[in-house]
Amino acid sequence: EVQLVDSGGGLVQPGGSLRLSCEASGFIFNRYAMTWVRQGPGRGLEWVSSISGSGGTIYSADSVKGRFTISRDNSKNTLYLAMSSLRAEDTAMYYCARERDIAVANNWFDSWGQGTLVTVSS
Amino acid sequence: SYVLTQPPSVSEAPGKTARISCGGNNIGSKSVHWYQQKPGQAPVLVMYSDSDRPSGITERFSGSKSGSMATLTISRVEAGDEAAYYCQVWDIYSDHWVFGGGTMLTVL
Repeated sequence: EVQLVDSGGGLVQPGGSLRLSCEASGFIFNRYAMTWVRQGPGRGLEWVSSISGSGGTIYSADSVKGRFTISRDNSKNTLYLAMSSLRAEDTAMYYCARERDIAVANNWFDSWGQGTLVTVSS
Repeated sequence: SYVLTQPPSVSEAPGKTARISCGGNNIGSKSVHWYQQKPGQAPVLVMYSDSDRPSGITERFSGSKSGSMATLTISRVEAGDEAAYYCQVWDIYSDHWVFGGGTMLTVL
């Protein structure tokens, strides 16, 4: 059974940093691209960043480019999102999701984590 | 940047058919995927590649695409279908995933 467990969220001050993790099990991790999606309070889904199975290809939303960095450790079956220069508008539930293929794009998200909440506030 | 437009809300009585639209420029050239999200839960894939249903998703859900619009159709609507629904595509020009704004389905 595919399982994705999100962790690392919490309360952080504006300008601060945080690293989210997504621990995967039940499938061969390096054969799948992975993605982070967020959802602000009362808002819709917003794509954040995606990484190919090898880690060699990365795409990120303009709203987080230069501040957030997606990475993966295939030896630990874990996906990461390093967030810095956090702003109030980054407050959201962050979900990791598995893409259907090893390459990013033109496939779909077939499994999702339960989410981890990030709150940016002083 | 590419935009997907969904109606904020759709209401339908139990047993009827609900249709949720997703509009976008040249959407005919893109594969459209749909997710269902119930309150307090993570999204779930309910349709991929316009009209393919994942295993475990009821056949009451179907997808179609025509012109500049994709549609998720839910037949014989049940109370358990009440949720937000999001369409999604990959925009090759920006190398970005794009979600529609979401449609809240209310079962009357």
